[in-house]
Amino acid sequence: EVQLLESGGGFVPPGGSLRLSCAASGFTFSSYAMTWVRQAPGNGLEWVSAIDAPGDRSYTADSVKGRFTISRDNSKDTLYLQMNSLRAEDTAVYYCVNDYSNSRIYWGQGALVTVSS
Amino acid sequence: EFVLTQSPATLSLSPGERATLSCRASQSVSNFLAWFQQKPGQPPRLLIYDASNRATGIPARFSGSGSGTDFTLTISSLEPEDFAVYYCQHRVNWPFTFGPGTKVDMK
Repeated sequence: EVQLLESGGGFVPPGGSLRLSCAASGFTFSSYAMTWVRQAPGNGLEWVSAIDAPGDRSYTADSVKGRFTISRDNSKDTLYLQMNSLRAEDTAVYYCVNDYSNSRIYWGQGALVTVSS
Repeated sequence: EFVLTQSPATLSLSPGERATLSCRASQSVSNFLAWFQQKPGQPPRLLIYDASNRATGIPARFSGSGSGTDFTLTISSLEPEDFAVYYCQHRVNWPFTFGPGTKVDMK
């Protein structure tokens, strides 16, 4: 069974930093691209960043480019999102997503990040 | 970058009624389109992939159609558990953007 467990969320003041982690199990982590998707309170889904299986190629949305960095450690089956220079508008639930295939897309339960003074 | 729009924003229906949700892409996504259902406090759940294929475990009352730029999600007869928010997402290339969602609520 595929499991994705996010951690590292919490309260942070504007301008602060936070690193989210996503521990994966139930599949060969090193073979699949991974994605972060976020959802601000009461809002829709926003695709944030993705990284390919070996970790060589990534893409980050313009809204967070230059502030957020996606990475992975295939030896630990873990995905990361380093978030710097956080703003109030970054407040959201951050989901770790495994695009196993077009017919199997697995989501974690999400980690809440609150940016507030 | 592909932009997806969804209509209507809200659909107010009663159990047993038919729901028709629309998703339009700013340029052709071929059939690389997925539909998700999200209920409060839960992550999204994949309903339809490649525009018209039901994901594992999804009831037959859910169907998807379309290709290119215009897509439809149809729920043939609404069950109480179907009242939720529905999102489309293209899966052509990164970023896999989402539409803004359609909320199906109970009349």
